[in-house]
Amino acid sequence: GNSVTQMEGPVTLSEEAFLTINCTYTATGYPSLFWYVQYPGEGLQLLLKATKADDKGSNKGFEATYRKETTSFHLEKGSVQVSDSAVYFCALTPLGGSQGNLIFGKGTKLSVKP
Amino acid sequence: EADIYQTPRYLVIGTGKKITLECSQTMGHDKMYWYQQDPGMELHLIHYSYGVNSTEKGDLSSESTVSRIRTEHFPLTLESARPSHTSQYLCASSEHRGRNRTSVSGTQYFGPGTRLLVL
Repeated sequence: GNSVTQMEGPVTLSEEAFLTINCTYTATGYPSLFWYVQYPGEGLQLLLKATKADDKGSNKGFEATYRKETTSFHLEKGSVQVSDSAVYFCALTPLGGSQGNLIFGKGTKLSVKP
Repeated sequence: EADIYQTPRYLVIGTGKKITLECSQTMGHDKMYWYQQDPGMELHLIHYSYGVNSTEKGDLSSESTVSRIRTEHFPLTLESARPSHTSQYLCASSEHRGRNRTSVSGTQYFGPGTRLLVL
């Protein structure tokens, strides 16, 4: 079946540190891959997405590359800020699935200290 | 910016009460969803809808019910609230291009959530 596994948190970093949050997936075919972010007290927002192998999604300094060979979609940012403190969710939509629903990882909480 | 709204944002209610959580979107999206988010942050899909008069159960069994009488409105109802229903409930919507689509599914847009506490 389809599933998403992301690194467990919480992750605590100092401001300007490099961030990596690992995400791997299991899916048939070529799913679309997403990173969503949830700031405290809010709903989820799309951060970035990639729809085919080797695509790189990017937004707000965050990047993730769709790696078919390693079934991964790791999230990276070169220099985090306190305002990046949030919960990050990796997700996929199976291509051609009749439901088209998102399958989420369990979320990784990031805390950035000044 | 997504235009999807949820009310109330916070609700504290006694056991046995009937409650309805409201969700509305102004984007004309066909597909809408309800998720339950536990304190450990994990999201569970409890209901979704392809459009008017369509409702489907999600991956997690829920005692709640939903209705879709209008495209923009997707309310969730608990007939008799219990403490085990205490959670955060997130509504979302997306474009949908057909039930047997082969193209990429649309991005989901989320509301701010309703935090429910049942005493």
